[in-house]
Amino acid sequence: ETGVTQSPTHLIKTRGQQVTLRCSSQSGHNTVSWYQQALGQGPQFIFQYYREEENGRGNFPPRFSGLQFPNYSSELNVNALELDDSALYLCASSFGTGGYYGYTFGSGTRLTVV
Amino acid sequence: DQQVKQNSPSLSVQEGRISILNCDYTNSMFDYFLWYKKYPAEGPTFLISISSIKDKNEDGRFTVFLNKSAKHLSLHIVPSQPGDSAVYFCAASARTSGSRLTFGEGTQLTVNP
Repeated sequence: ETGVTQSPTHLIKTRGQQVTLRCSSQSGHNTVSWYQQALGQGPQFIFQYYREEENGRGNFPPRFSGLQFPNYSSELNVNALELDDSALYLCASSFGTGGYYGYTFGSGTRLTVV
Repeated sequence: DQQVKQNSPSLSVQEGRISILNCDYTNSMFDYFLWYKKYPAEGPTFLISISSIKDKNEDGRFTVFLNKSAKHLSLHIVPSQPGDSAVYFCAASARTSGSRLTFGEGTQLTVNP
């Protein structure tokens, strides 16, 4: 059983650029959630995708957007990057949308905006 | 608005002793609580959880206690081992919010041999 894989592992971008982060779900999981973890903070919920539709969104601006594909993999896109977007971005997959099912997290993508 | 707080950024204990990590929450809609452990360069891994209808849940060396009236939960690790050294996150979920988790800031546990 493969876990959640994220790519790339590290990324450096310039302010104003756009970035796409990728996530492959664990086998059998149909829901993907994205979290942002700033340095010294806990992960913060960005949004969740279920059946290729956004199913809940945290307090993040519209320049954060996502996609889920038929194979349940997912992308996180961030436009007009700002310095404060520098963080670890975590993808988590689960089966179903209830919190009781628990997540499997990937190792994350470390994004640095300069 | 920090709905889940872990007030101790770090905790250091001796191998074999008890580690107690604390977490407070403010949102009374939270009905499920989880603890995750995170090693450097890895994603958080699920450790143990508790439903709001219980006040205690045990799994081996790990026990989570929930005090709903105080909106407080704690994770006890007995006995602590050097391999337990990691960042521990408390997280909470509300049935009305699906599987969205609200995390605390984390506590760095160091278990000294």
